[in-house]
Formats: sequence, C-alpha cells, structure tokens
Amino acid sequence: IAGITQAPTSQILAAGRRMTLRCTQDMRHNAMYWYRQDLGLGLRLIHYSNTAGTTGKGEVPDGYSVSRANTDDFPLTLASAVPSQTSVYFCASSDSEAVEQFFGPGTRLTVL
Amino acid sequence: GQSLEQPSEVTAVEGAIVQINCTYQTSGFYGLSWYQQHDGGAPTFLSYNGLDGLEETGRFSSFLSRSDSYGYLLLQELQMKDSASYFCAFSGGYNKLIFGAGTRLAVHP
Repeated sequence: IAGITQAPTSQILAAGRRMTLRCTQDMRHNAMYWYRQDLGLGLRLIHYSNTAGTTGKGEVPDGYSVSRANTDDFPLTLASAVPSQTSVYFCASSDSEAVEQFFGPGTRLTVL
Repeated sequence: GQSLEQPSEVTAVEGAIVQINCTYQTSGFYGLSWYQQHDGGAPTFLSYNGLDGLEETGRFSSFLSRSDSYGYLLLQELQMKDSASYFCAFSGGYNKLIFGAGTRLAVHP
C-alpha cells in the first residue's frame, strides 16, 4: 500500500441499506478526514479524527458515523442510506503538524 | 458564517498566465490552501499561505492578503495538463478545511 486506499471504488445501493466505506492509510498520519463532493459544491467535510480514538463532526455529519480504532483505518458508515447521499466520497489524511492533506482515490456512491 | 467565493470557470491558452481569485469570509482563519483536481481524480495539494504575501512553487504561485480576506493562485506558462479544477480552502482550525466550490480551468492550444 502506498498512501491512502479506499474501498469500494463504486457502489450502487438501495435506499435504507447500511453501507460502510473503507479507508486505510500507511503514512502513519494522526489526522484523517471524510469529505463528500457534489457537483457545484466542492468538497464538504463530513467527519474528522485528529488522532486514534477521537472523532469530530464536520460541516455535514448527519446520516453518517465514523470510528477510529487505530491510526491506519477510518471507516465511514451510512446507517440507512438515502438518495441525497449519492455523491463521491473522499478520505484524506494529514500529519498533525502539516497543512497538506493527502486524498484517497474516492468512492462513487449511488443511492437509489 | 464561513464561505469562500471563486469563479466557476476560467479559460486560457497554452503558454499564457492565469489568475484564479478567492475571497473568503470566516471568523477564525489560519491559512489558505489550494488544491488541484483533474476530472475523475483526487484533489492534490498545490500550496499554502499562512502569512500575507506570495509563495512560489515552480510555475505556480499563491498570494494571500488577510486584511482583504483575499487570495489568488497564479499559473504561469500554462500547459494543456493544467486543465483541471482548482479549489481554495481555508483552515478554520486544526487542519479542518472549508473548500470553495472550485474553478474549472480550460487550457486551449
């Protein structure tokens, strides 16, 4: 692994289903983030984690949950998907002392 | 509230210089970052301004004026591969980024 990986690459999901998007980084970064990107709206922060064991809410947290059991993994869960959660989801990480965030390749999620 | 404004589209020709402006509104501000994103790709970091002034990295430069709540990204000697979307983002605290909606740059021969 080099950098950040996300899985799945894309997914079509029925409304009401539960879905977990996976994110793993191998850079030993303390901070990790989840963004969603919608056309015309740029990237919006969903949840973040400054270090393993802690999480926080971003701009658009409703309908999403995260956990940070260890440094490398930061899964994002949609408990009951709705069509408005159709988006491209990016995971990112950064060193606590650095301003640069490194982004994963993204997951394209469609909720029908 | 917190917001950033940048033009939605910019068009330029190869070899030219283009400036993408970004104005922001926020109560807490730590710095302004710029990211590039090619279609279908992930955002990649270009530059960061924590202090007023110009930061230069090769063909790209970024400027910040805190007193004017304004910054810009300057791309010189444009190449076709520079066709992408460019996002300004400010740090509201501990690396939590708030992104603008992005500027789509089209470079023509």
